[in-house]
Amino acid sequence: ETGVTQTPRHLVMGMTNKKSLKCEQHLGHNAMYWYKQSAKKPLELMFVYSLEERVENNSVPSRFSPECPNSSHLFLHLHTLQPEDSALYLCASSQGHSYEQYFGPGTRLTVT
Amino acid sequence: GQQVMQIPQYQHVQEGEDFTTYCNSSTTLSNIQWYKQRPGGHPVFLIQLVKSGEVKKQKRLTFQFGEAKKNSSLHITATQTTDVGTYFCAGPSGAGSYQLTFGKGTKLSVIP
Repeated sequence: ETGVTQTPRHLVMGMTNKKSLKCEQHLGHNAMYWYKQSAKKPLELMFVYSLEERVENNSVPSRFSPECPNSSHLFLHLHTLQPEDSALYLCASSQGHSYEQYFGPGTRLTVT
Repeated sequence: GQQVMQIPQYQHVQEGEDFTTYCNSSTTLSNIQWYKQRPGGHPVFLIQLVKSGEVKKQKRLTFQFGEAKKNSSLHITATQTTDVGTYFCAGPSGAGSYQLTFGKGTKLSVIP
């Protein structure tokens, strides 16, 4: 499945580093999402963009900063992360609200 | 806020046995979606149910949406090792919302 791609697939970063996660969808969808998946927790929605505008207001620490330059690309900029931010970060896209979501393979992030 | 509960959290079955996972929402849902995540993989959309009392089948998988549109179930007949993974249900967080509230999932292990 190559509808939604994510890079990098694995990332190890120190707490003082700055890095970015990239997501690209090839499905012609209007909405894109960032999720965090930690062990033993439900999928947590972080950010939603519809037609390049941020929608929904989930409380996410400011050390996570999303960017959606167009409807096919989504970035998650990371800075001064904490060890508890280590998780699988998943990108997804959909045609719109209430439609099924298609997930990318995820970025496994480890903060040391 | 809306809550989506799934039981059981874990299920170990002998290959060939049946398996059922149940999903309950604290609020009425406009639709319910089911996803499967293989070990080391990402969630993959399986199906969406919209109508009250709806039943849909995909080969050995049977999905039901309750009459009150607050509960759902996924039943697998004669499990195979390829069914291994975590099954999630998810429902829209509100009318017009892009956010899906995911259950914690049921992790299925199949003993060959």
